Amino acid sequence: KAGVTQTPRYLIKTRGQQVTLSCSPISGHRSVSWYQQTPGQGLQFLFEYFSETQRNKGNFPGRFSGRQFSNSRSEMNVSTLELGDSALYLCASSPGQENTGELFFGEGSRLTVL
Amino acid sequence: AQSVSQHNHHVILSEAASLELGCNYSYGGTVNLFWYVQYPGQHLQLLLKYFSGDPLVKGIKGFEAEFIKSKFSFNLRKPSVQWSDTAEYFCAVNQRATGKLIFGQGTTLQVKP
Repeated sequence: KAGVTQTPRYLIKTRGQQVTLSCSPISGHRSVSWYQQTPGQGLQFLFEYFSETQRNKGNFPGRFSGRQFSNSRSEMNVSTLELGDSALYLCASSPGQENTGELFFGEGSRLTVL
Repeated sequence: AQSVSQHNHHVILSEAASLELGCNYSYGGTVNLFWYVQYPGQHLQLLLKYFSGDPLVKGIKGFEAEFIKSKFSFNLRKPSVQWSDTAEYFCAVNQRATGKLIFGQGTTLQVKP
């Protein structure tokens, strides 16, 4: 089985721009979670989607949004980028209806905001 | 709000030394507990997990962890580390009621050959 695939792997944006990151979960997995990883804050939970519905949400401002499509693929969007948004954005998938916390992670999308 | 605290941010050991990484969480409800590991240049992956039953759980590569409910702790141990254990280790707690998975800050382990 192919793992979780995230695109793009690296990208550079400037302040004020917006960015869209994509995640393809493992085949058959219906839940997708997003995390922001930075050296100072560690892994911060952004949101989780299941069956195209946001099931959980972290404490990020409204500039961070996401969605899930009927094929379970997910995208996250960050608008009006700030320098502090520079981070590794990780997507993770899990198979079941219940999110037990056992996640399968992708390699991440590294965003640099200049 | 729930939080997960890892006691050590950076640990340096020589090969064959014993390892114990501390993890405490603050949440009174039922939880699932995890240790995830991120080897250099690789993606985050599951090391071991606890859902219920025997509080001493064994994972891959000789790692084990013990859940002590009264202390809200889930410490990771390995009797003898190897250079290949050099990685960042994350403790994570899943609130069963909400399904949220919260991570600790991570511990960087450096094993000297």
